[in-house]
Amino acid sequence: DIVLTQSPLSLPVTPGEPASISCRSSQSLLHSSGHNFLEWYVQKPGQSPQLLIYLASNRASGVPDRFSGSGSGTDFTLKISGVAAEDVGLYYCMQTLQTWTFGQGTKVEIK
Amino acid sequence: QVQLQESGPGLVKPSQTLSLTCTVSGASISSPDHYWNWIRQHPGKGLECIGYIYANGTTYYSPSLKSRVMISLDTSNNKFSLKLNSVTAADTAFYYCARGSYSRSWTGDYYYYGMDVWGQGTTATVSS
Repeated sequence: DIVLTQSPLSLPVTPGEPASISCRSSQSLLHSSGHNFLEWYVQKPGQSPQLLIYLASNRASGVPDRFSGSGSGTDFTLKISGVAAEDVGLYYCMQTLQTWTFGQGTKVEIK
Repeated sequence: QVQLQESGPGLVKPSQTLSLTCTVSGASISSPDHYWNWIRQHPGKGLECIGYIYANGTTYYSPSLKSRVMISLDTSNNKFSLKLNSVTAADTAFYYCARGSYSRSWTGDYYYYGMDVWGQGTTATVSS
């Protein structure tokens, strides 16, 4: 199975400051089509996960533009340009290239 | 507005079958643009994909669960279901259903656009 390793596992942030989460894959997620099969989700406290990013860099409908995804191959990044208080939660990357797997999650919390 | 709602018994005895249903409203499970997922989350842990099904009935199961799991569609009632047999305490978890979007290229490749609608989830506890 493809293993996704996220870092950091805990990310205290100051509101308004940028934040960045890394997701590294044990195998390349670059498909022959040129797309990277990586998604980002956030699970806010007490809620179901929500889709943020698909195909590595495409923002899902309704997702604020302060969220952006980048990367290719084995290294991917989720960036929040200015963290809002409502962004606290667990952030997961997930690959859909082979047997679908999630990263272990990164907890974003306000300082 | 698309909504998904999981239902099923909260308590299952070891070695028995866990059966969960996801009722879909605001969208048709027969849509050729979507697939229907089951994901679970062990207490205090991360997310695990169980499997999913396309409108044509094609299924995919996690290799670690494949021998025990079945996902099916009930198009008459716009629902899809999960059956996990021979359960043990390790199957105690919070179970989510979710809708995903995808497309296929002329070469047959699948492109996935993420799981954009999730149910609220339901707890399943395996205990005698």
